[in-house]
Amino acid sequence: QKEVEQNSGPLSVPEGAIASLNCTYSDRGSQSFFWYRQYSGKSPELIMSIYSNGDKEDGRFTAQLNKASQYVSLLIRDSQPSDSATYLCAVNPGGGNKLTFGTGTQLKVEL
Amino acid sequence: KAGVTQTPRYLIKTRGQQVTLSCSPISGHRSVSWYQQTPGQGLQFLFEYFSETQRNKGNFPGRFSGRQFSNSRSEMNVSTLELGDSALYLCASSQLGENYGYTFGSGTRLTVV
Repeated sequence: QKEVEQNSGPLSVPEGAIASLNCTYSDRGSQSFFWYRQYSGKSPELIMSIYSNGDKEDGRFTAQLNKASQYVSLLIRDSQPSDSATYLCAVNPGGGNKLTFGTGTQLKVEL
Repeated sequence: KAGVTQTPRYLIKTRGQQVTLSCSPISGHRSVSWYQQTPGQGLQFLFEYFSETQRNKGNFPGRFSGRQFSNSRSEMNVSTLELGDSALYLCASSQLGENYGYTFGSGTRLTVV
């Protein structure tokens, strides 16, 4: 079992729709969770972090965390073509600044 | 505020050679981590340095090594290069603490021929 699992996609949504990206993790002791966006040919960029159960909103982005289910999600409202990228879920299992990444979900926002 | 700077951006090396990659973190960031990214494996953790000490190490062979200097700048070295070492090598810096995410550099694209 992979430590951090994501559906590779591609996930296609029409412009203006809500995109829902999901991630599960195996280390129950993990405390901090991150979403990164990576455009083709670029390096990953941090877009959201979450540490407590529940929702955290930042502009069009909402991160959701359920530690009991070991599940993290990212919602993107009013999706734009510029949101087309690969979204990486990352988990810090503790013991330092080591992040374990999922393999990413490719999102395509279509006009 | 300057971001994470990695040099060089591109490298082409021959099998058996060695290579050194450099990373300058964001000012004030004392934790530096290195990752290898390939299409098949995604982002794989190499190691993390803090205060010139390696705090965490991933599952890579001993050919992969690194170090951190007193000014937090870091280098990683790969000896006896193999074709499979061709990848994007990413450096990331962070403030200390598990609740801080990384800021990544632009990466070094290494091609081994």
